[in-house]
Amino acid sequence: EVHLVESGGGLLQPGGSLKLFCAASGFTFNTHAMHWVRQVPGKGLEWVSSIGGGSDDAHYAESVRGRFTIFRDDSKNTVSLQMSSLRAEDTAVYYCAKDRESGNSIWDAFDIWGQGTMVTISS
Amino acid sequence: ETVLTQSPGTLSLSPGERATLSCRASQSVSSNYLAWYQQKPGQAPRLLIYGASSRATGIPDRFSGSGSGTDFTLTISRLEPEDFALYYCQQYGHSPLMYTFGPGTKLEI
Repeated sequence: EVHLVESGGGLLQPGGSLKLFCAASGFTFNTHAMHWVRQVPGKGLEWVSSIGGGSDDAHYAESVRGRFTIFRDDSKNTVSLQMSSLRAEDTAVYYCAKDRESGNSIWDAFDIWGQGTMVTISS
Repeated sequence: ETVLTQSPGTLSLSPGERATLSCRASQSVSSNYLAWYQQKPGQAPRLLIYGASSRATGIPDRFSGSGSGTDFTLTISRLEPEDFALYYCQQYGHSPLMYTFGPGTKLEI
């Protein structure tokens, strides 16, 4: 069964740093792009970042570019999101998601999602 | 940046009725890279439709997607009690890579 499990969320003060992790299982991880999406409780979905399948091709939403970095470790089937210079508006549930398609520089819809990890930025 | 608008904001229907949800893009969505997701309270989103009209694995055939260009529709032919949820459309553009979600439609009893 395909499974994604996020971890690393927590409560931080503005300006702090945090690294989120997503552990994947049940599929050929290194062939699929992976994504991070966030959601303020009670609000809509916002795409955050994506990294290509079997590559370091990374992309970011304008709201996080320069502050967040996405990584993947294909040897451990994990994708992570390093977040720095955190702001109150970064408070959200962060979801990890798998791309539906496989292949290098192939991007498609998100067919599997984790349960999310909550990040709260508050003084 | 492509902006997605979903209508209506809230749709009130009864089980057994037909639901029609709309998603309009501010510019043409290339190659019909348009997806629909369902989200229930306390749960992660679930992919329903990709490529504007292809059902994702395990999605019942009462869900269908249609449209092209800037106007897309998600239709639920006969509502089941478990279909009452939030629905989001999403478009994906590749140059540069960017994903955008619509604000959502709440489907309520």
